[in-house]
Amino acid sequence: NAGVMQNPRHLVRRRGQEARLRCSPMKGHSHVYWYRQLPEEGLKFMVYLQKENIIDESGMPKERFSAEFPKEGPSILRIQQVVRGDSAAYFCASTYGQGFSYEQYFGPGTRLTVT
Amino acid sequence: DAKTTQPPSMDCAEGRAANLPCNHSTISGNEYVYWYRQIHSQGPQYIIHGLKNNETNEMASLIITEDRKSSTLILPHATLRDTAVYYCIVRVGISSGSARQLTFGSGTQLTVLP
Repeated sequence: NAGVMQNPRHLVRRRGQEARLRCSPMKGHSHVYWYRQLPEEGLKFMVYLQKENIIDESGMPKERFSAEFPKEGPSILRIQQVVRGDSAAYFCASTYGQGFSYEQYFGPGTRLTVT
Repeated sequence: DAKTTQPPSMDCAEGRAANLPCNHSTISGNEYVYWYRQIHSQGPQYIIHGLKNNETNEMASLIITEDRKSSTLILPHATLRDTAVYYCIVRVGISSGSARQLTFGSGTQLTVLP
C-alpha cells in the first residue's frame, strides 16, 4: 500500500510566478490536511479538505493561497504570485476518516524555493 | 487544545532507552496525548497515542501519569536512526466543530550518540 505521495519534491519559482503542489493520499483515505514548515520552525496547519469540500481553512493565508481536493485526482495547493516568504516545506497528510483517532500519515513534503 | 512543554534537546547513547518527557498540565479529560517525530527533512511520522492508560506498540511505549498532567515517551533501545525531533501533541476528542488538525510545538531534538 503506497504511502502519501507529494510532487514535486522540490520546486523553484521566481517571485510573481505560481506554484502548484500536489498530494495523493493513501489508498482509501478521503481526508487531506496541508501544513507548512518555515525554515527552523515547526509545522503549521493550513487547510483541511475532504473530497470536493474545504472543511477548515483557518490556517490558510487570506490572499494568494487556495486548495482543492477534487472527486478524482490529487489534492492541489496553489500559491499565486509567490514571494520569498513563501519559501518553505509544504507537507500534506491524509486520514481514513474524520475521527480524531485516525492517525495522520504524512507525505515527504514539497520544498518550495522562491528566488 | 492544551499546551505542551518539552525540553528543546536531549542526548541518548545508542542501545540505551530514550525517555522523552512532556508536560501538559492543562489537559482536559477528553484530550488525548499523541507523539510524532520528524527525521531531518522528512514528513512527520506517527508514533503512538493514549488517553490515560499506558500504551505500547512496536515503536515505543507511552507512560501517562495518573493525574494526566505529564507523559513520557520511551524508545526502549535507541538507534542512530531514531535521531529526530519528537513532538508531543495534546488533541481533543472529536466532536462537532472541534479542530481535527495537529498543532505542533517546538518538540525535542533527540540525538542518539554512537
